[in-house]
Amino acid sequence: KAGVTQTPRYLIKTRGQQVTLSCSPISGHRSVSWYQQTPGQGLQFLFEYFSETQRNKGNFPGRFSGRQFSNSRSEMNVSTLELGDSALYLCASSLVSVNTGELFFGEGSRLTVL
Amino acid sequence: DQQVKQNSPSLSVQEGRISILNCDYTNSMFDYFLWYKKYPAEGPTFLISISSIKDKNEDGRFTVFLNKSAKHLSLHIVPSQPGDSAVYFCAAPGQTGANNLFFGTGTRLTVIP
Repeated sequence: KAGVTQTPRYLIKTRGQQVTLSCSPISGHRSVSWYQQTPGQGLQFLFEYFSETQRNKGNFPGRFSGRQFSNSRSEMNVSTLELGDSALYLCASSLVSVNTGELFFGEGSRLTVL
Repeated sequence: DQQVKQNSPSLSVQEGRISILNCDYTNSMFDYFLWYKKYPAEGPTFLISISSIKDKNEDGRFTVFLNKSAKHLSLHIVPSQPGDSAVYFCAAPGQTGANNLFFGTGTRLTVIP
């Protein structure tokens, strides 16, 4: 069974640019959530999509957005990049929720903003 | 505001001994807790969970204890093995049945052979 796949694994952008990250969940999983990991803050929840609808949203500015497609694949977008957006972005999928099944994480997309 | 806290950034333990990783939380509405393990260059992997209706859950070498009155949980690993060396995160869902986890900042465990 293939795991959660994130692309690209590494990318470098400059301030002011935008970036799109992609996540393919485990087959059959309908929930996809995104997290940002930075050395000082740990993992912070960005948003979660379930059946193409945003179910939860974390405390991040509107520059961070996402969407989910009918095949459950998800993308997140960060516009007008800032230096502080440099982080590891992790995608996680689950059947429904952590109470009914664990979250499976991908290996992450490491973004560096110069 | 960090609702889940891991105050020890690192822990070193001899192989075969017990490792105890601690986690505190501030939100009394949390009713489910999880521990994840993370190796470098990999995503976190689920280790063990506990519901607030229990005070202990055991899975092989791993046991999680929950003290609701103290808003404290701990992960015990017995016996510790070198392969357990990783960063451990505790987490709690913001709402029942939701996947918006609040994570602690992690504890790096090093098991010395």
